[in-house]
Amino acid sequence: DTEVTQTPKHLVMGMTNKKSLKCEQHMGHRAMYWYKQKAKKPPELMFVYSYEKLSINESVPSRFSPECPNSSLLNLHLHALQPEDSALYLCASSHTGTAYEQYFGPGTRLTVT
Amino acid sequence: GQQLNQSPQSMFIQEGEDVSMNCTSSSIFNTWLWYKQEPGEGPVLLIALYKAGELTSNGRLTAQFGITRKDSFLNISASIPSDVGIYFCAGQKGWDDKIIFGKGTRLHILP
Repeated sequence: DTEVTQTPKHLVMGMTNKKSLKCEQHMGHRAMYWYKQKAKKPPELMFVYSYEKLSINESVPSRFSPECPNSSLLNLHLHALQPEDSALYLCASSHTGTAYEQYFGPGTRLTVT
Repeated sequence: GQQLNQSPQSMFIQEGEDVSMNCTSSSIFNTWLWYKQEPGEGPVLLIALYKAGELTSNGRLTAQFGITRKDSFLNISASIPSDVGIYFCAGQKGWDDKIIFGKGTRLHILP
């Protein structure tokens, strides 16, 4: 089983809202990732967690706040977003290390109004 | 930053034709990954390559890790309508390095 699940599938939020994206995997992977993807572009890395610790932050604005409660779960807390933050947010996981074979979830389509 | 040059950017082919796309870099990579992404979905891993010269198949898909370690190729034989999507190559230099994506090849199949 190489499944990564993400909820919600779609999210519309105003610029003053607070919301969270959730990601879950049960493959025993100890590295988890958040990516942002704009239309017709490749995914852009945002954060990497390795053994539940934040190991990479690609200079992401503080209005995005990641959290890794345990080895199977990854959250992305959103606050005071801008319309340009509208995108497909992808979660991925892999075995130890920052890359190896990364398996992606279906993504959350976020629209900021 | 490091970039991967993926070509072609898009392809329009007839059903049944074979497809070939490639990815090149100015740097050496230790891992090459090929993903397919359909609209509204996340990328799906198709093939992973770990050794220079390695040739790996997954059904009608075949990918190769270039001998120079600076390139990789993906071939699709006898294309079918469900092959439509965007194909991304991704490379990784070392085990602790993040993966770098190419810009994608958009495959269209003409009826």
